[in-house]
Amino acid sequence: AQSVAQPEDQVNVAEGNPLTVKCTYSVSGNPYLFWYVQYPNRGLQFLLKYITGDNLVKGSYGFEAEFNKSQTSFHLKKPSALVSDSALYFCAVMRQAGTALIFGKGTTLSVSS
Amino acid sequence: NAGVTQTPKFRVLKTGQSMTLLCAQDMNHEYMYWYRQDPGMGLRLIHYSVGEGTTAKGEVPDGYNVSRLKKQNFLLGLESAAPSQTSVYFCASRKDSSNQPQHFGDGTRLSIL
Repeated sequence: AQSVAQPEDQVNVAEGNPLTVKCTYSVSGNPYLFWYVQYPNRGLQFLLKYITGDNLVKGSYGFEAEFNKSQTSFHLKKPSALVSDSALYFCAVMRQAGTALIFGKGTTLSVSS
Repeated sequence: NAGVTQTPKFRVLKTGQSMTLLCAQDMNHEYMYWYRQDPGMGLRLIHYSVGEGTTAKGEVPDGYNVSRLKKQNFLLGLESAAPSQTSVYFCASRKDSSNQPQHFGDGTRLSIL
C-alpha cells in the first residue's frame, strides 16, 4: 500500500537552533513530494514541493527540504528556528500528476524561546 | 482573493440529522477535494471531483455524498450523521491535472452528539 510516514509525533527545538522534520514515503514510481504547515484553527498552507531536479528545494518562510531517492525520504529543514514556526507540519505525496495527495499523520513542531 | 471558502465554520448535530457542507473557490480550479482530519490520522480523502458534474470516491467515502453542479462549488452531504463523523472537514482545490499544490479552506468543525 502507498503511504507516507512521519516517524515523530512531536519535535522540540530551541529558538535559533536548526530543525528537521522527517518524512519517508512508500510510493511506486517517481512521485511528487510536498510539505504543508497548519496553524491552529486554520487550513493547510503550502510550503514547498519537489518535482524533479536539485535534491534541495527551498520554500516559504526560510524552510527547505532534502529529497533522497535511495532512502525515499523528504525531510523538512530550517537552519534557525523561530518561535513562530511552532505548528503542525504535514508531508504529502502525489503519486502522479493529477492524483490526490496522500498525507502523513503530521508532526507537531514546538520551538521554545 | 478569497481562495477556498468553507461554510459553516462550526456545527453541532444530533445523531441521525443531515446537513450539507459548502465549499466555494474563486480560482477557476478544475479539481476539488473533501478531506477529514482526525487526531493522529492526518488527512484522509473522502471524495473528489476532477471537473464540473463529476465526482469520485476517495479513501473514506462511506456515509458521505457529494455534488459538483457548478465548477466553483463542491458540496459534502451527511445524510444521517453518526458520532464517528465528528471531525474537522477540509476542502481543497487545484488548478488542473498538473503537479501544482492544493489550496485549502480553513475547515469546518463538526460535532455529532
